[in-house]
Formats: sequence, C-alpha cells, structure tokens
Amino acid sequence: SQTIHQWPATLVQPVGSPLSLECTVEGTSNPNLYWYRQAAGRGLQLLFYSVGIGQISSEVPQNLSASRPQDRQFILSSKKLLLSDSGFYLCAWGYGQGREKLFFGSGTQLSVL
Amino acid sequence: GENVEQHPSTLSVQEGDSAVIKCTYSDSASNYFPWYKQELGKRPQLIIDIRSNVGEKKDQRIAVTLNKTAKHFSLHITETQPEDSAVYFCAASGLSGSNYQLIWGAGTKLIIKP
Repeated sequence: SQTIHQWPATLVQPVGSPLSLECTVEGTSNPNLYWYRQAAGRGLQLLFYSVGIGQISSEVPQNLSASRPQDRQFILSSKKLLLSDSGFYLCAWGYGQGREKLFFGSGTQLSVL
Repeated sequence: GENVEQHPSTLSVQEGDSAVIKCTYSDSASNYFPWYKQELGKRPQLIIDIRSNVGEKKDQRIAVTLNKTAKHFSLHITETQPEDSAVYFCAASGLSGSNYQLIWGAGTKLIIKP
C-alpha cells in the first residue's frame, strides 16, 4: 500500500536560518506531489507541485523553493526564513482518476522566531 | 481562473442535528468536487467526493449534492456526533494544461454541541 512520510513533525527556527523539509512516498511510481502551507486557523495554500523528476511548478512567489531529486522525493527549502514563513506545511500526493484525490502527509509545524 | 467560496466559516449544531456546508465555484468546466475533514493539528483527509456527471452521493451519514446549473455543491452530515467536530474544506478541480488542480474553499469550522 501507498504511504507518505514527512519530517520533521515540528521545527523551531530563527529568522534568517535555512530550511529543508523532506517528503517521500512509498508504494507508487511517478506520483504527482504537492507542498501546501496552512497558516494558523486558515485554509490550504498550494505552494508547489510536481508531475515528475525535476519538474516543479510554483503557485506563489516567495522565498521558498522546491526540488524533486528522485521520483518519490519532494523537498521544500528556503535560504533565509522569514517570520511570515511560520505555518503548518503539508506534503501530499495525488492518486485516483486524474490524480486529483490527495493524500496528505502528517505535516510539519514550523515556527520562525 | 477558478474561485471557490465556502459558507459558513463557523457552524455550531446540537449533537444529533444535521449540518450543511455550502460551496460555490466559478468555472463551469470544473468536474470534480471533494470534501476534506481536518481535525485539530492533523492532516486533511478526504471524506467524500463527487464528479460532475453525478448529482448526489451518499456514504453513511455524509452526503454531497451538486447543482451544476447554479455551480454550487454542499456537504450534508446527518445525526451529528462529537467526532464530527473539525474543519471541513471543499475544493473544485478542473483540467489546467495537462494537470488537474484543486482550488480550495476557506474552510468551515464545525462545532458539535453536546
């Protein structure tokens, strides 16, 4: 069966520090992968999505970037974190007809202080 | 592009009563409409979905209805229970280039009062 791993679960980082969040999927090949961010008490904001290795689409211009070095690995990065980067980061993979059903990872709660 | 509006933002109902959450969308080409439930501090989870060729779908106490003419769809929860307390998100999907993308509503916080 398919599973998705996302780590770390919580992260506290100072302003200006770098960031690297990793997400891996098991049990499927060539998945559509997504990074979402959710501010406290707010909705889901799509940050990046990828339909294949090295293929990244950005939905929101910001100081974050994403990479997909392997088929089932999706990485979210930042060179210098801002206070506004705080939030709940969710990785997801798409499945089903058209791959529009999303299964989310357990999320990373990022606090930038 | 597609826009999804969700109402109400907060809904409080007595345990055992029904709850209805409504979403409207703007792109008539949208063809897939899922609902996700997110408990506090947890990941969103797909609870029910419907495609544009179906008017209604039911799964135990949960149902979704779709009105393509009016471009709105609704989540219905009957006989509400405490474990139904969560934030519910609707979304609409349409083909964008060669990929499907979900456009999300802002969420509804459902509170079940004992």
